[in-house]
Amino acid sequence: NAGVTQTPKFQVLKTGQSMTLQCAQDMNHNSMYWYRQDPGMGLRLIYYSASEGTTDKGEVPNGYNVSRLNKREFSLRLESAAPSQTSVYFCASIPTNTGELFFGEGSRLTVL
Amino acid sequence: EDQVTQSPEALRLQEGESSSLNCSYTVSGLRGLFWYRQDPGKGPEFLFTLYSAGEEKEKERLKATLTKKESFLHITAPKPEDSATYLCAVSTNDYKLSFGAGTTVTVRA
Repeated sequence: NAGVTQTPKFQVLKTGQSMTLQCAQDMNHNSMYWYRQDPGMGLRLIYYSASEGTTDKGEVPNGYNVSRLNKREFSLRLESAAPSQTSVYFCASIPTNTGELFFGEGSRLTVL
Repeated sequence: EDQVTQSPEALRLQEGESSSLNCSYTVSGLRGLFWYRQDPGKGPEFLFTLYSAGEEKEKERLKATLTKKESFLHITAPKPEDSATYLCAVSTNDYKLSFGAGTTVTVRA
């Protein structure tokens, strides 16, 4: 099993450009999450999807949009990238009623 | 607002030198406390879940304990392969986990 797969792994954008980070899981998990990780700040929740067809804001949603395309896929879109969005982005999924998040390998985004 | 504070930020150990990491938390209605390990350039990997005060979990050289205000991750006789960043997280009403900033452990041979 591949687990949680994120693409791309690395991306460099210019301020104002848009892009979408893709995430897919093959574990039949209901809930999926997008986190960002910055030095000294830990993982912060951007958006999550408790189940197919639902999405909710997390701690730092401004500047991002998400789509839960189906049970497997959860994408994160930056409409107009800003340097403050330079970060490592992690997608994760979770089986029902556990705290055991399964993370992808991360997507490293630099906004110039 | 849920708060999770980990200390120390960094820990350098000699191989075999046991130590403990601290995770203190402030939440209303703890549903679970979680420990994850993160290697450089990788996503976090689940280690333990603790649900109630007094609970303990062990895995190889790691032992996690929980009180009403904090959790400890004890590393007994560490080896260089235990070098990693250890993350603590809490969840309350649903599974939106709130993470601490982590403790980076370096074990020298």
